[in-house]
Amino acid sequence: DGGITQSPKYLFRKEGQNVTLSCEQNLNHDAMYWYRQDPGQGLRLIYYSQIVNDFQKGDIAEGYSVSREKKESFPLTVTSAQKNPTAFYLCASSTLGRVQEDSEAFFGQGTRLTVV
Amino acid sequence: RKEVEQDPGPFNVPEGATVAFNCTYSNSASQSFFWYRQDCRKEPKLLMSVYSSGNEDGRFTAQLNRASQYISLLIRDSKLSDSATYLCVVNVGGTPLVFGKGTRLSVIA
Repeated sequence: DGGITQSPKYLFRKEGQNVTLSCEQNLNHDAMYWYRQDPGQGLRLIYYSQIVNDFQKGDIAEGYSVSREKKESFPLTVTSAQKNPTAFYLCASSTLGRVQEDSEAFFGQGTRLTVV
Repeated sequence: RKEVEQDPGPFNVPEGATVAFNCTYSNSASQSFFWYRQDCRKEPKLLMSVYSSGNEDGRFTAQLNRASQYISLLIRDSKLSDSATYLCVVNVGGTPLVFGKGTRLSVIA
């Protein structure tokens, strides 16, 4: 079955540590995205990528880094520079078609990161 | 002005009621529109796309008003299982989807 998979589902990080969140999709989507969601808040865009080996900062990129070495994979690293990393992280993918029906985003199940 | 704005609610409605949400968007170049549903501590899932001519899927009706730059979602005969947060989503085309902060719906028995 095609889909988008995030791992792990829960992650605990000590202060000062870098952690990497995995996101893999087998939908053959060109575009992938990382969002952060805080309790009771909307989704905020961290980074996105529309093609392999290229990515763009979103609204809250500071303290995060990404790579896009393969079309299927878009890992997110939360670095020690991110001062308040506890949040729900969502990865999504979509096609880049301008046809309305093709541009919806599909989400992974999310990773809940907690700093301990 | 925020790109996509929604009333955060909560909307508390009894079972069987009809409830409507509106969402306004600021970019007149927006090309496609969606409603997503997000359950507590879960990922958003597509509820329905919003077409220029309006569209209906069972108890759910979505409409687009390009002149006034808003989209709406109507839920008829509300069920307890409709309780969730409904996200309005806009796509300008070739750029990341823009999400509203969501409207929380609670359907009460």
